[in-house]
Amino acid sequence: GAVVSQHPSWVICKSGTSVKIECRSLDFQATTMFWYRQFPKQSLMLMATSNEGSKATYEQGVEKDKFLINHASLTLSTLTVTSAHPEDSSFYICSAARALAGYSYEQYFGPGTRLTVT
Amino acid sequence: SQQGEEDPQALSIQEGENATMNCSYKTSINNLQWYRQNSGRGLVHLILIRSNEREKHSGRLRVTLDTSKKSSSLLITASRAADTASYFCATDEYGNEKLTFGTGTRLTIIP
Repeated sequence: GAVVSQHPSWVICKSGTSVKIECRSLDFQATTMFWYRQFPKQSLMLMATSNEGSKATYEQGVEKDKFLINHASLTLSTLTVTSAHPEDSSFYICSAARALAGYSYEQYFGPGTRLTVT
Repeated sequence: SQQGEEDPQALSIQEGENATMNCSYKTSINNLQWYRQNSGRGLVHLILIRSNEREKHSGRLRVTLDTSKKSSSLLITASRAADTASYFCATDEYGNEKLTFGTGTRLTIIP
């Protein structure tokens, strides 16, 4: 099966600093990657869609200047949380889409990154 | 995005019993998928059912889809302690890679 990795798996940072999270598809090329945010005991909320070589598309209510997304290659997307605040503490999960037959896609999820802002 | 709803929100059953979770969604879909998430971990893909399919099996899992009612169910038979996790349904629309997740069901299997 397809494997998606995330790094780091957890990070603690001070308020006001920036944190970068990497998402890699290890054994397939992903033209599209997605970034989700998940609060405790809640579902995944899509933050943005990241396409290789173009600007990310952000969901309504997500600040693009705060959550910078770069999709530098077909196997790597990064999410940078800028000027982090305690309310940014959350579980961030990325996924990479692989095309199936019939205009279908299957998303493979990374293991997630736990961000704690103190 | 408009999330779908799952019920129940939480379910506790004895090991060996069957567990049924339901998912309702709002829009026309291309596919519906079910995922499992252990606490603090990433998502594991369980099964995908296409909009033109009505039922699908995978091991102890059985998924049904009723597009007229915009609903799906996941049945786990002969539950095991290792099945304890949160289960999410997710839908996508034709030609669109974006997934919309349901609210999830927290399943606890009591040994």
